[in-house]
Amino acid sequence: AQSVTQLGSHVSVSEGALVLLRCNYSSSVPPYLFWYVQYPNQGLQLLLKYTSAATLVKGINGFEAEFKKSETSFHLTKPSAHMSDAAEYFCAVRGTGTASKLTFGTGTRLQVTL
Amino acid sequence: KAGVTQTPRYLIKTRGQQVTLSCSPISGHRSVSWYQQTPGQGLQFLFEYFSETQRNKGNFPGRFSGRQFSNSRSEMNVSTLELGDSALYLCASSLKQGPYGYTFGSGTRLTVV
Repeated sequence: AQSVTQLGSHVSVSEGALVLLRCNYSSSVPPYLFWYVQYPNQGLQLLLKYTSAATLVKGINGFEAEFKKSETSFHLTKPSAHMSDAAEYFCAVRGTGTASKLTFGTGTRLQVTL
Repeated sequence: KAGVTQTPRYLIKTRGQQVTLSCSPISGHRSVSWYQQTPGQGLQFLFEYFSETQRNKGNFPGRFSGRQFSNSRSEMNVSTLELGDSALYLCASSLKQGPYGYTFGSGTRLTVV
C-alpha cells in the first residue's frame, strides 16, 4: 500500500525566510505525488504534482518540490515566505488503475511571523 | 470554467437522521471522489466513482454510500447519523483515472447533534 509521512505537524518561519515542508513516501511502484494547500474553511488547492516527467516540479505561488527516489522524499520548498502562505499543507500519493485514490499525509500547518 | 460545486456548504443534523450531500464536478471530469476530513483522523478516502461505477471504496461502514449520475454529478448519503460523523466532507473531480491531480470543492461541513 502507498503512504506518505509528513514530518512536523507545525512549522513556523519568519516572513522572507525559506519554507521547507517535508514529505516522505512509501510506494512499491513509481508514485504520483502531490502537494495541496488548505486555507481555513476551504477545500484543498493543488500546488504541484509529480508524474515522473521531471524530478524538480514547479507549482503555483512560488512553491516547488524535488522528487528524490534515493531518499523517497518529495519535500516542498519556497525561497521566501509570505504572510499569505500561512495555511495547512498536505502531501499525497496516488496509485494507478484501480488504486487511484489519493492517500494524504497528516498535514503540516505553516505559520508565518513578521 | 466553473470549479467543483458542493451543496450545501453547512448542515446540522440530529443523531439517527440521514443526510445527502451533492457534488457537481468540473465539466468534462468523469472521476469523482469523496473524502472525510476530521481533526482526529485527517483526510480519509470514502469512495471513488468513474463513469457511474464505484471503482474504489475506503474503510467506512455501510451507512456511507454514494452514487454517480450519467452527467457525472455525484451524491453521497449517510444514514443513521452518529456524532462521530461530524466532519468536513470534500468532493474532488479529475479528468480520468491516472496521473491527474484532483480538483476539490469547498466541502460540506456536517455537524451532528
